[in-house]
Amino acid sequence: EIVLTQSPGTLSLSPGERATLSCRASQSITSSHLAWYQQKLGQAPRLLIYGASSRATGIPDRFSGSGSGTDFTLTISRLEPEDFAVYYCQLYGSSPIYTFGQGTKLEIK
Amino acid sequence: EVQLLESGGGLVQPGGSLRLSCVASGSTFSSYAMSWVRQAPGKGLEWVSAISGSGSSIHYIDSVKGRFTISRDNSKNTLYLQMNSLRADDTAVYYCAKKTAPTGTYSFGYWGQGTLVTVSS
Repeated sequence: EIVLTQSPGTLSLSPGERATLSCRASQSITSSHLAWYQQKLGQAPRLLIYGASSRATGIPDRFSGSGSGTDFTLTISRLEPEDFAVYYCQLYGSSPIYTFGQGTKLEIK
Repeated sequence: EVQLLESGGGLVQPGGSLRLSCVASGSTFSSYAMSWVRQAPGKGLEWVSAISGSGSSIHYIDSVKGRFTISRDNSKNTLYLQMNSLRADDTAVYYCAKKTAPTGTYSFGYWGQGTLVTVSS
């Protein structure tokens, strides 16, 4: 079983700053199998990035994904007030076929 | 616009059963694999089960194998999760989720609003 570890657990930043969120896999994975989601309190998750670096429909270009092998990054270039939320990475694998990281909470400093 | 609407959650005693449903809008339901993803109170996301578009391929997380059964009725655009022998640690909001595209993608582009399942005596 591949484990996804997200860091940091909590990230405190101010609007306008740059956010860098990490997702590390316990073994090398196929980049096309890695996705990122945003979840706000009381809401369902929203797909941000699929295939490690492709933005989903309607996602602003301040969100970008990168990485390969075991290390992947979600970057928010300039934080807007509505970006403060919890972010999850997700992997399509073998057993279980889908795995989520434990999440990174992005909070206002 | 794709819409997914879950129902069937509620309060159930340990050892009891519930059946969740998820109705999808649109005419291409049978082309998409579907999943159930749950989130315990204050916790992260956990994938539970998936079913292919035709229903011929099914997967479960180990903790629900033998207790939960996923199924679908493509004529009704509906996904189901039959949950038996429920335990306290099954307490969660259950989301149905649809893949981003019929093939070639490995993410969930569409989510329902969730239905809360509480297992307690």
